[in-house]
Amino acid sequence: GESVGLHLPTLSVQEGDNSIINCAYSNSASDYFIWYKQESGKGPQFIIDIRSNMDKRQGQRVTVLLNKTVKHLSLQIAATQPGDSAVYFCAENTPDSSYKLIFGSGTRLLVRP
Amino acid sequence: NAGVMQNPRHLVRRRGQEARLRCSPMKGHSHVYWYRQLPEEGLKFMVYLQKENIIDESGMPKERFSAEFPKEGPSILRIQQVVRGDSAAYFCASSGTVRADTQYFGPGTRLTVL
Repeated sequence: GESVGLHLPTLSVQEGDNSIINCAYSNSASDYFIWYKQESGKGPQFIIDIRSNMDKRQGQRVTVLLNKTVKHLSLQIAATQPGDSAVYFCAENTPDSSYKLIFGSGTRLLVRP
Repeated sequence: NAGVMQNPRHLVRRRGQEARLRCSPMKGHSHVYWYRQLPEEGLKFMVYLQKENIIDESGMPKERFSAEFPKEGPSILRIQQVVRGDSAAYFCASSGTVRADTQYFGPGTRLTVL
């Protein structure tokens, strides 16, 4: 079965607020994690990644936090905009998985104007 | 700098026909991955290929499905004798030459089996 899962299937936030999307993973051997954004009818779009030797990484308006102790990953989006509305997936990769990514089931982010 | 290209974007087939999905990786990328996505679900890995080699096909059904990445031309995912359960979005991704390199996805091919 899937080793990556998400706590909330749908997250609704007010425009301008910060969003936090969470992800749990079960394989402690995973050493690379990626967040993707998928808009309706499109392919997953890379947002940010993090390797297991880090616990935080920042991009433009996004931050990924990795807590290896509890095997938890989160994506923080600052000042959420209507264009951020999409489904967000976390994905993991393990050293023995031959490059393949294991995806979670996704969280739908709805931004209220 | 073109991204990952996939065609066709939409494909309709009747049960028993063959479906051919094409993927051209990003320039400079030599690793190709195919994933399948059912509505409202995450992507499921199918197969990983390098030029002229299948590296990992552990996610691909044993029958009717095949994939190739020839020396010249795009990668092809082939589904023979399609059934309604094959209806899904099929995504191709590509990456550079090192392990755990970022995978960049194409727009997908949406296959509908009537």
